[in-house]
Amino acid sequence: AQSVTQPDIHITVSEGASLELRCNYSYGATPYLFWYVQSPGQGLQLLLKYFSGDTLVQGIKGFEAEFKRSQSSFNLRKPSVHWSDAAEYFCAVGGVYGGSQGNLIFGKGTKLSVKP
Amino acid sequence: DGGITQSPKYLFRKEGQNVTLSCEQNLNHDAMYWYRQDPGQGLRLIYYSQIVNDFQKGDIAEGYSVSREKKESFPLTVTSAQKNPTAFYLCASSPRRVTGELFFGEGSRLTVL
Repeated sequence: AQSVTQPDIHITVSEGASLELRCNYSYGATPYLFWYVQSPGQGLQLLLKYFSGDTLVQGIKGFEAEFKRSQSSFNLRKPSVHWSDAAEYFCAVGGVYGGSQGNLIFGKGTKLSVKP
Repeated sequence: DGGITQSPKYLFRKEGQNVTLSCEQNLNHDAMYWYRQDPGQGLRLIYYSQIVNDFQKGDIAEGYSVSREKKESFPLTVTSAQKNPTAFYLCASSPRRVTGELFFGEGSRLTVL
């Protein structure tokens, strides 16, 4: 079955500290992987995406993510968190499955709080 | 500016009433989607449309209906048959034959009184 797991429901970090949000997926084909961010009461904004090639991808707002096929993971990282990064983060997987383009499957999200 | 516009942002409804949420996009995208978001549940797909005059059910289509008469518009009707309609609804679009990257509207929050 196709699925996305974000093991951490809520994470709190201090401003200036590093951040890693975990994402594991199960997908029966080569996955396309995404991280989205959502501020309270708003829509989702794409942070970064992986389709193929270099397994370390850079995104907006200083975020990066690394695709590890052997671990079925796509963890999101940021070296120094800013208070404005407080939001909810969603990992998603999609791709060509069974000969057709599949819809994105989303994880349940990780809420990030930032301490001053 | 190109984007997706959802309206209304907030909507209150009495039990037993149908309500329609609007979604308009000017990105010239072929595909459009409706998601429901509940706390701790992530996003669940209600309906999607890959082309005008065609749409498919997602994972939780019961109690909802859609239409796609124009490329730019994909309204969602929450019917009285939807047992628990209070939620945050998100509309999204994507270019056809691209790898599934979605562009989202700002959402509509529906509360049933």
